[in-house]
This record gives sequence, structure tokens and C-alpha cells, in this order.
Amino acid sequence: GENVEQHPSTLSVQEGDSAVIKCTYSDSASNYFPWYKQELGKRPQLIIDIRSNVGEKKDQRIAVTLNKTAKHFSLHITETQPEDSAVYFCAATPMAAGNKLTFGGGTRVLVKP
Amino acid sequence: SAVISQKPSRDICQRGTSLTIQCQVDSQVTMMFWYRQQPGQSLTLIATANQGSEATYESGFVIDKFPISRPNLTFSTLTVSNMSPEDSSIYLCSVEENSGNTIYFGEGSWLTVV
Repeated sequence: GENVEQHPSTLSVQEGDSAVIKCTYSDSASNYFPWYKQELGKRPQLIIDIRSNVGEKKDQRIAVTLNKTAKHFSLHITETQPEDSAVYFCAATPMAAGNKLTFGGGTRVLVKP
Repeated sequence: SAVISQKPSRDICQRGTSLTIQCQVDSQVTMMFWYRQQPGQSLTLIATANQGSEATYESGFVIDKFPISRPNLTFSTLTVSNMSPEDSSIYLCSVEENSGNTIYFGEGSWLTVV
């Protein structure tokens, strides 16, 4: 089955700096890669996703890049703000498998004012 | 996106008892899933809730411990049976929206077993 590894496990950045989280996956059949943000005591919220037919997707201050050859994808947050502090999870799934997501271990991001 | 409601949102349960969590969606969805998130950990898929048939369980999860019902396309239940402190977790219902194949999560049910 799919295996997703996520790095780093914790990330501390100064407000205004950029944050980058990287994930690798094992199943070459995976073709859908969502990112979720989970604030303390809340559900995971989808913040951006990318499908295998594109290499990059951007939404305001967040962007995701995908390298299918190397089987890795990354989340980039620019101009970080204190409200970006949360745990971020990457996930992967081969859409044909009924969209059963395999999650990375999570990255705890702390944005220091 | 679909509105996904879970009940209870939080509960403290006695060891050895069972608790049923309900998941209600405001629109019909084909795929519904149940995930577990142990304290400080990532999310792990328990099972796929199949409408009108038995759920499909992932490795490490069994029907006797986590019976699941899916009577229609908008509702599912997960029961956590014979609970022990190790079952203290967040249990999350998720759905795949029929348009766009995007997956969203319910509010979660925070269970503490004492």
C-alpha cells in the first residue's frame, strides 16, 4: 500500500518568512495530493490540493508543487502570519482506490510574531 | 462543500462500554470513510462505509471492535466497542464529494476513555 513520509515534524519560522513542508510517497499510482491544516481542537481543513496532471498550484499565500518522477510534493507558505500556526498534514491517494487517503505524520508549524 | 455533522462532539466513556458516533451529511455522497486520530498523531483510516453492504476495514481494524452502518447515502455510524483507554482518540467521518472528488472531514468526535 501507499506510504507517505512528511518532513519536518516541527517547523518554527519568524512572521513574514516562508515555510516549506515536504512529503514523499511510495505508490506511483497515486494521483491526488491534498494538504490539510488542523488547528488545535479542530478538524482537519483542506487548504489546497493538486492532481497529477499539473506540477504546481497556487492559492494566495500557499502553493503546492508536485514532482511525479521523484514522487514528492511540497507545501509552500509565503509571508507567514501567526494564524498560520497549526499542524499541517499531506496525503496521497490513487483515485481509483476509492480515495482512501494515506496521511503523512504531520508538521507542527509555529509562526513567531 | 458538503456540511458534515458528527454526534457526539465530545464524550468521556467508561472502560468496557461502547459508544456509537453518528455522521450526517447534508447531501448524498457515494464515499464515506471513518478515520481515527490518536493524541498527537496523524490520521489513520479505519474503514470505508459502504451503503447497503458491510464496511471495508483496513489492516488492524476489525468489525467486532468498530462496527459500522451506512443505511443510506447521507448517514453513517461508527461504534467503538468494549472501550479501553487506548481507544481515546478523535474519530473523524469524511466524505468524498461527488463533484470534484475532494475529501472533507466532519467536526470530529473527541472520545476519552477512563
